[in-house]
Amino acid sequence: EPEVTQTPSHQVTQMGQEVILRCVPISNHLYFYWYRQILGQKVEFLVSFYNNEISEKSEIFDDQFSVERPDGSNFTLKIRSTKLEDSAMYFCASRYLTGELFFGEGSRLTVL
Amino acid sequence: AQSVTQLGSHVSVSEGALVLLRCNYSSSVPPYLFWYVQYPNQGLQLLLKYTSAATLVKGINGFEAEFKKSETSFHLTKPSAHMSDAAEYFCAVSLGAGGTSYGKLTFGQGTILTVHP
Repeated sequence: EPEVTQTPSHQVTQMGQEVILRCVPISNHLYFYWYRQILGQKVEFLVSFYNNEISEKSEIFDDQFSVERPDGSNFTLKIRSTKLEDSAMYFCASRYLTGELFFGEGSRLTVL
Repeated sequence: AQSVTQLGSHVSVSEGALVLLRCNYSSSVPPYLFWYVQYPNQGLQLLLKYTSAATLVKGINGFEAEFKKSETSFHLTKPSAHMSDAAEYFCAVSLGAGGTSYGKLTFGQGTILTVHP
């Protein structure tokens, strides 16, 4: 069964460092998303991506964040200078047209 | 704007008992509603979805949910709980039938279901 894969599963970084979270969406999917879940809080939408550009982004997705689909398979989330409050589980998701949204298992980011 | 409220952050049931997880939503337009389940160390898996067709929606693993517009509710039920149902359950709403909006979900805070023997 096709699945969305995310790496790394857990990353620990120092405040101020750059972090790149990687996702491999399902191969024929067209829409790509990043969500995050701070411990004890709701899963929150960060950004959606379609046709090689950002479609929509939340207030959380400020200039410290960027997304990229550098090739035909990877979808990355970059945090340029991490803050303590960026510590969270980050979920990548993808879908095809109006179909089901498939989530990856998440990347846990810990900022020290 | 839309929002989702899940009543009860923890629900505990006995094996074989009815499972009822509550979800209320608010939406300025007809919503699309979803229930996701998350098992430990796994991603979010779609249980079922309501997309303006039948109001009673059946999903995987014996779960179902009923869309009640008058009550703005989309409660999740299962007649008989199994130990393997222990997980965290999330209700979510989205707007829009297509495009990126369909996948832009607003989640509730989650309900942890515990099933005891």
